Amino acid sequence: DIQMTQSPSSLSASVGDIVTIACQASQDISKHLSWYQLQPGKAPKLLIFDASNLEIGVPSRFSGSGSGTEFILTITSLQPEDIATYYCQQYDNVPYTFGQGTKLDIK
Amino acid sequence: EELLEQSGPEIKKPGESLKISCKGSGYRFSNFWIGWLRQMPGKELEWMGVIYPGDSTLRYNPSFQDRVTISADESMSTAYLQWSSLEASDTAIYYCARQEELLSYFGPWGQGTLVIVSS
Repeated sequence: DIQMTQSPSSLSASVGDIVTIACQASQDISKHLSWYQLQPGKAPKLLIFDASNLEIGVPSRFSGSGSGTEFILTITSLQPEDIATYYCQQYDNVPYTFGQGTKLDIK
Repeated sequence: EELLEQSGPEIKKPGESLKISCKGSGYRFSNFWIGWLRQMPGKELEWMGVIYPGDSTLRYNPSFQDRVTISADESMSTAYLQWSSLEASDTAIYYCARQEELLSYFGPWGQGTLVIVSS
């Protein structure tokens, strides 16, 4: 199975900050990577697919980059509603696997 | 709007059976894969398996294959996840999510079904 390693595991930032979350795959997954936002009591939300494509309806302050084994999720100008846990996921190979998650809160 | 709506929370005893559901709306249900995912308390997401409702093609994560059964009723636009004998370790939130292709991202997602197994 492909291992996905996410960092940091938790993060505290201020409103307006730029936040970056890293995700590393144990083998080359090309651009077959997505990012999700999970908030308690809500359906998980797809943010980014194919490493850098923004899902329709997702604010433009979210962006993704990377290919191969190294990927980054960036949130520019952090907003209070961005408090959530973020996960990366590879879909290059079955079984699909997720990172351990990054819990983001506001300072 | 393309939505997945899951059945409500369940509290069960070890050894009991359970079937939870995921109903799709706003799109042609038979043309997209539906995956099931588990999130145990404080843990990361795990992919359990996926079904193509159009012909009931299944793919399971080997880690879950012996524990659960995935099925779908195309006429009801509903996918199911079932257990024949629950264990305490099955306590988790279970999500369904749509895929356009077998090797593809998940979206949209259902709101999750909380399953608690306790004696």
